[in-house]
Amino acid sequence: DTGVSQDPRHKITKRGQNVTFRCDPISEHNRLYWYRQTLGQGPEFLTYFQNEAQLEKSRLLSDRFSAERPKGSFSTLEIQRTEQGDSAMYLCASSLGQQGPSYDQYFGPGTRLTVT
Amino acid sequence: GEDVEQSLFLSVREGDSSVINCTYTDSSSTYLYWYKQEPGAGLQLLTYIFSNMDMKQDQRLTVLLNKKDKHLSLRIADTQTGDSAIYFCALGPGRRALTFGSGTRLQVQP
Repeated sequence: DTGVSQDPRHKITKRGQNVTFRCDPISEHNRLYWYRQTLGQGPEFLTYFQNEAQLEKSRLLSDRFSAERPKGSFSTLEIQRTEQGDSAMYLCASSLGQQGPSYDQYFGPGTRLTVT
Repeated sequence: GEDVEQSLFLSVREGDSSVINCTYTDSSSTYLYWYKQEPGAGLQLLTYIFSNMDMKQDQRLTVLLNKKDKHLSLRIADTQTGDSAIYFCALGPGRRALTFGSGTRLQVQP
């Protein structure tokens, strides 16, 4: 399978716990993006990486959120001290990121987080 | 910031054409995309149009762009039950994040 993969697909956690999600982009894709999607809404941008460098973070990414892409391949998104408002689908996307349509973003299946 | 608006729901009969509309406020977008999302799944890239184009056709899909009115549409010809999903338009400068609309749920009735 050469698509974007995410793990786990579902996560249920209690309020206050920490959670970590993983994303494996399409091989050779330089750019990796994280989005959050709540019910009935479109995805909202959280952050993105060019190789291992985190180039932009949205204001949605509070101090409790941290993302890494240590070797420029897979990425992790950690949420500390989860709150019920963090319940959402967390989507990862990747793109080749050179020019023109190669910026097209391809999405993984998402990780659905439920905070109880 | 950018605002991207879509109607919430569209119902069509199988075999008819579907037209999903999107309006936006930021005219600086260079690429405009259509994504499809089926229940419980991620987003599937359907097609895109570059901002200097008015129309793009890709098999059953036709994208129309009216830059003056900041209006984007996706026409699906011969709509099938497998086309039932949520369709998102998204605007991108290409190098950075996409801005999505809230999605249009397409229901195809047999």
